[in-house]
Amino acid sequence: DAGVTQSPTHLIKTRGQQVTLRCSPKSGHDTVSWYQQALGQGPQFIFQYYEEEERQRGNFPDRFSGHQFPNYSSELNVNALLLGDSALYLCASSSRTGAQHFGDGTRLSIL
Amino acid sequence: AQTVTQSQPEMSVQEAETVTLSCTYDTSENNYYLFWYKQPPSRQMILVIRQEAYKQQNATENRFSVNFQKAAKSFSLKISDSQLGDTAMYFCAFMKPSTGANSKLTFGKGITLSVRP
Repeated sequence: DAGVTQSPTHLIKTRGQQVTLRCSPKSGHDTVSWYQQALGQGPQFIFQYYEEEERQRGNFPDRFSGHQFPNYSSELNVNALLLGDSALYLCASSSRTGAQHFGDGTRLSIL
Repeated sequence: AQTVTQSQPEMSVQEAETVTLSCTYDTSENNYYLFWYKQPPSRQMILVIRQEAYKQQNATENRFSVNFQKAAKSFSLKISDSQLGDTAMYFCAFMKPSTGANSKLTFGKGITLSVRP
């Protein structure tokens, strides 16, 4: 039973570029949440998708957007990248009432 | 808004001994969930233990147990018989249930635990 999978594992971009990160949820899960984790800090909630709609959003600017597909997989898009966007981006999947299970994350570095 | 505080940035314990990691939280909610997650250097966030606020009994998972004090808004994690593989960052997290979809997690800043051989 595959867990949560994220791609790519590591990405290097320059300021002003755009990036797309991908997440496939654990089998049986229909909800996907995205978190940003700066070095040495706890993860911060970006947004959550359920039934292909954004259901909740954290305190992140509109440069951060997402999408959920009919097979429950999800993408996180970040436009106009800033140096401060360098972080580990974690995807978590869950069922409606279950605990969230995390992927290995995508390490995004902005030069 | 909910907040989660982990005031100890680092702890160290000898292998086979017991260690307790502290966490406090602030909320006006009566029904919620609390979690401890472990993040080893491999960076995957792994669920260690979960506690429902409406349950008075403290959760236990093998060597891991919690001391949940609802009135004090305290949620500590006890690791018994510490093993080298327990070396990791540990995060305390809060979740307020919502109707419909699963809700967001609010994390503390984490604590780095080192297990010494």
